[in-house]
This record gives sequence, C-alpha cells and structure tokens, in this order.
Amino acid sequence: DVKVTQSSRYLVKRTGEKVFLECVQDMDHENMFWYRQDPGLGLRLIYFSYDVKMKEKGDIPEGYSVSREKKERFSLILESASTNQTSMYLCASSFEGWDTGELFFGEGSRLTVL
Amino acid sequence: KQEVTQIPAALSVPEGENLVLNCSFTDSAIYNLQWFRQDPGKGLTSLLLIQSSQREQTSGRLNASLDKSSGRSTLYIAASQPGDSATYLCAVTGGSQGNLIFGKGTKLSVKP
Repeated sequence: DVKVTQSSRYLVKRTGEKVFLECVQDMDHENMFWYRQDPGLGLRLIYFSYDVKMKEKGDIPEGYSVSREKKERFSLILESASTNQTSMYLCASSFEGWDTGELFFGEGSRLTVL
Repeated sequence: KQEVTQIPAALSVPEGENLVLNCSFTDSAIYNLQWFRQDPGKGLTSLLLIQSSQREQTSGRLNASLDKSSGRSTLYIAASQPGDSATYLCAVTGGSQGNLIFGKGTKLSVKP
C-alpha cells in the first residue's frame, strides 16, 4: 500500500513564525502535491512538484513556498505565518502524469496560527 | 473553467439502505475521475478511480459509474453500514485546467 506520511498532525504557531510542514511518500512517486482544505471552500491546490527540485504553483501559492530536494520528500513552508493560514493541510502523491494519476493522500496537518 | 458539483451536501439514511451519491462536472474533456472518502479530521482515502475510457468500477459494496457525455458520475453504496459514515468527494483530472478539481463533498450519515 502507498503510504504518505505527514510529520505533524497538529501544530499551533504564532503570527510571523516560520512554519515547515513535511511530507514523505514511500512509493517512488514522481508527483507530490500540497492542498489546503477549508470549510465551504473545499480543497485548493497550493503547489505541486513533478520531479526533484521542480515545483509549480497551484491555485493559491501566495504566502507559501515549497522544497523538494529528494524524490520522497516534499516540504511546505510558510515564511511568515498569518491567521488566515489556519487550515487543514493535505499532502498527496501520484504516479504517471501530474495531472492524470491516481492521488494518494496523507492524514493531514491541522495548523492553527494565533 | 472546470467545476465539480456534488448534490446533496449532506445525506442521512438508515442502516441497510442502498444509496447513490452524485457528482457532476462541466468540462467533459477529463482524463479520469476519482472518488475519495474522508473521515472527520483525517486525510482522503482513495476509493475508486475511473479512467475516461471506462464506464464503471467496482470495489466490494461500492460501484462508481461515469458518463462523460453528460458530465456525471455516481457512487453506489450497497447495504450501507454505520461505518460508511464519512464525507465522500469526487475529483476529476485533465480538462482545460490540467490539475485535479474537487467537488465539495457529500456528508453521509448512516444511522443504526
């Protein structure tokens, strides 16, 4: 079974702090994704990566950056956390094309910014 | 712009009923459609993936169908159980926007 692991299930941070969310997958998938999920807005794509050191903006990249130094690891970085970034963050990975493959998700990271 | 709609937003049924969840999309040029389950506070679990060339997929008590021309998919759950209670989301890939587009989900509650 594909396993996508997000390092932190719950985080509480203060406004202005730098936040790192880590995601690791164990199936040698080329593609990795970061989504945020908010009530009433559904899932929105922040960034994705289709190869090591490659990254592409999704629908809502503002205020976020990403890093993919190794194939299995994809990190989401909030340079200066703000209260409107309080959300559930979901990491996913897929094989095949970045826009066509079956997605496998991690358990999510619930971030609260005070 | 691709839009994915799931109606109803919430559904409550007694245990044992067969039920259908609906998903519609506006751009029929999709590559595939995926159904997910999400338990409260958790990530998404992939249930079924239907390629655009397929009409349906089955897994246990779940059956998903796809009608590209009408822009619709249904998820059929047979003999529902309380453990099926969760939010079910559909998502389509491909189309003019490229990346996966999600519906907002149907929250299913199965009463014992």
